[in-house]
Order: sequence, then C-alpha cells, then structure tokens
Amino acid sequence: ETGVTQTPRHLVMGMTNKKSLKCEQHLGHNAMYWYKQSAKKPLELMFVYSLEERVENNSVPSRFSPECPNSSHLFLHLHTLQPEDSALYLCASSQDRDTRYEQYFGPGTRLTVT
Amino acid sequence: KNEVEQSPQNLTAQEGEFITINCSYSVGISALHWLQQHPGGGIVSLFMLSSGKKKHGRLIATINIQEKHSSLHITASHPRDSAVYICVCQVPTGGAGSYQLTFGKGTKLSVIP
Repeated sequence: ETGVTQTPRHLVMGMTNKKSLKCEQHLGHNAMYWYKQSAKKPLELMFVYSLEERVENNSVPSRFSPECPNSSHLFLHLHTLQPEDSALYLCASSQDRDTRYEQYFGPGTRLTVT
Repeated sequence: KNEVEQSPQNLTAQEGEFITINCSYSVGISALHWLQQHPGGGIVSLFMLSSGKKKHGRLIATINIQEKHSSLHITASHPRDSAVYICVCQVPTGGAGSYQLTFGKGTKLSVIP
C-alpha cells in the first residue's frame, strides 16, 4: 500500500466512449504524474502536475485530457481513443517536483480499447 | 538525448543466488531511480540515487557518476523477487526543478525455487 489509489483498476471502452481515470494520493504530496505503459515498451511519462499546475505535457494526443482539481486528485479524461491506446496507465506522486524526492506509484488502470 | 541501456534484458536465477542488474546512460543526470514492477503492473520505487550507494534489506544500489553507470544488486534472491526492474534517469533541463525522465526497457528477473 503506497498511499496512492487509482480507479477503476480495469476498464474496457469502445472508441466512441468517454471515460475518466481517477488517481488519489493521501501523502500530502505536491506533484502528481500520469504514465503510460504499453506492452513491451518502456514506461512513458505523459503529464506532470506541480501544485495543481500542469508543468509538463510530453506530446500526448489531445484525446487524453488531464485534470488536477486539487493537490490530492488527478484525473485523466479519455475520449475517442484508438485500440493502440490500450495500455496500463499509472499514476504517481512525489513530495515535490525535485530531485530529492521519490515517486510513489498507484496500482494502475489496465485499459482496453475495443 | 539520453540513452538508457539496461542489461541483461532477461535473467533467470536459482533461489539464493546473488543478482546484479546494470544500467548505463549517456548524459549527465541529477538522479537515478530503480523501480520494481510486479506481474500485474504494480510499481514500487526501490531507490533514488544521486551518488554513492544505498541499501534496503537485501537490495543494494550503487551509482558511478563518472562512468555513467548504476547497478542494482539482490543478495540471497528469493522467488518473490521475480519482477521487472526498471532504471529511470532524471536529466536536468535548465529551469529550477525542471527535468526529464528517461526510462530503461527493464530487466525481467525470474527466481526459481
């Protein structure tokens, strides 16, 4: 138990659906992250939020839309996804967006796009 | 652009063996992370290093900044150590607190009883 929770744990959606992934951290951290892990590929950092402000967006398609309403919650809104977007989506948090602090990962949401 | 290479890609060991996983990178970094990913996806952060050596239980991580190399060692390996181990490099990008993360492809470890 890392203090970072993600819901749902599994999600199957059609290409025309709209869904959201939720991440919550109970650690009092100031930075939160979305990662994507596709089969047989390294982890990819998608978005970084620091103090509820998006500070990094690594060339992610606009069909992925993050939202950070407060420092404890992070959402990833999904719409008109493609089958190649099927992957494990991981949320993480750290005390601050700084070299001194380690990241704590949630269990991930396994997304399948049909 | 930072290149992160891990070796070996796959490793099978007998229970009790001493295991070493290596990570090499090509540019100056501010920190290096070792992550452990269990089957099913859950990830645990094992170490964050900027110099020297750290130890947690049976796990030891070392980094040589001059040689741009880090190693993760597991002593007295156990089947529950079976997982993918991922090296992540943190590269400063100029602004205060600004950095990029580059991920290795991971080393899949299987420890056989």
